[in-house]
Amino acid sequence: RKEVEQDPGPFNVPEGATVAFNCTYSNSASQSFFWYRQDCRKEPKLLMSVYSSGNEDGRFTAQLNRASQYISLLIRDSKLSDSATYLCVVNMGSSASKIIFGSGTRLSIRP
Amino acid sequence: DVKVTQSSRYLVKRTGEKVFLECVQDMDHENMFWYRQDPGLGLRLIYFSYDVKMKEKGDIPEGYSVSREKKERFSLILESASTNQTSMYLCASNPGGGDGNQPQHFGDGTRLSIL
Repeated sequence: RKEVEQDPGPFNVPEGATVAFNCTYSNSASQSFFWYRQDCRKEPKLLMSVYSSGNEDGRFTAQLNRASQYISLLIRDSKLSDSATYLCVVNMGSSASKIIFGSGTRLSIRP
Repeated sequence: DVKVTQSSRYLVKRTGEKVFLECVQDMDHENMFWYRQDPGLGLRLIYFSYDVKMKEKGDIPEGYSVSREKKERFSLILESASTNQTSMYLCASNPGGGDGNQPQHFGDGTRLSIL
């Protein structure tokens, strides 16, 4: 089993739709969680950190479920510019070398 | 804004060459990382450094070495390049000691081809 797993997609949704991704992680002692976005042939960029109580940034909502060991990302009112690969990132230990990246979920928004 | 700068966007080298990839960050971050990214495999950690002259092996260190002589600069060295090292190489940094609870900031990446 992979340490961090994501549905690779692609998710193909119409503009204006709501879309959600999940990401599961294997280590219950994991300490910090992030969502990154990566455009084609570009570097990953931080989208948002994920906090225990859940957090929102505009159209984006991130949630953490420690009991079931998953994090989620919800995108409301999706825009064409949201088309990208979304990477789930989990820090599984006390060392920065235990930061694990998921393989990413591809999202394509169609007009 | 954090700036992580990688020396080259695209690089073409020959098998057996010694290859240097340079990375500089301007935010006085203590942690610096080198990853490679391949289709279907995601980002894999090659080496990590938590201080000047300090380094830790990642998941795939074989065939690579690193150097951190100054806090702002972290170099990745391919000792004798091979075709299976053709990949996208990403440098990242984050602040704070040895713990990775801060998000990482990435450079633009170097697309390296070994012929």
